[in-house]
Amino acid sequence: GQQVMQIPQYQHVQEGEDFTTYCNSSTTLSNIQWYKQRPGGHPVFLIQLVKSGEVKKQKRLTFQFGEAKKNSSLHITATQTTDVGTYFCAGPAGGYQKVTFGTGTKLQVIP
Amino acid sequence: DAGVIQSPRHEVTEMGQEVTLRCKPISGHNSLFWYRQTMMRGLELLIYFNNNVPIDDSGMPEDRFSAKMPNASFSTLKIQPSEPRDSAVYFCASQGNSRPPLHFGNGTRLTVT
Repeated sequence: GQQVMQIPQYQHVQEGEDFTTYCNSSTTLSNIQWYKQRPGGHPVFLIQLVKSGEVKKQKRLTFQFGEAKKNSSLHITATQTTDVGTYFCAGPAGGYQKVTFGTGTKLQVIP
Repeated sequence: DAGVIQSPRHEVTEMGQEVTLRCKPISGHNSLFWYRQTMMRGLELLIYFNNNVPIDDSGMPEDRFSAKMPNASFSTLKIQPSEPRDSAVYFCASQGNSRPPLHFGNGTRLTVT
């Protein structure tokens, strides 16, 4: 079945440093979604990318979808303590609705 | 918008007992998903429904797990009998028009002793 891996698994950064997480799927994706889960919380949708090579920005967050639509990245510029949490990529497998989540990257920001 | 509502928030039970988790999706959403989250296995999709019909239950661990969606506003996930390895956070999520995003409930933290 489809596998979605993310690296790194954990990342500790000093506040103000940049952060990037990478997502790789074993199969081509029709779209990629990104979610953020705060400690003790539930995943919350951030964004969806659909087109090959697409780049979207949300303030300090930049999301990119690979040309082959098998990988994606999330880059955070100048991290803040509010960025703490686990970031998941997710994509459909075996049909548009069956959303498989990546392994996640847990971000810790040191003030 | 009340969001996806799950109950209970926490459940502690003894091995061998039956456990029922409940979910009320967002009104108007036609897809409902049950996920399980553990440190070891991450977020696993257990089963999903479209228009109250189970579409894919290949993620359900074994016959001890069952899920139902009797109507568009309610779903249950039942574990019978429960085992300590079932301890996890169980999330329900719903989706409208079969399109992203997924909206998650607050989850049920299940502890089986």
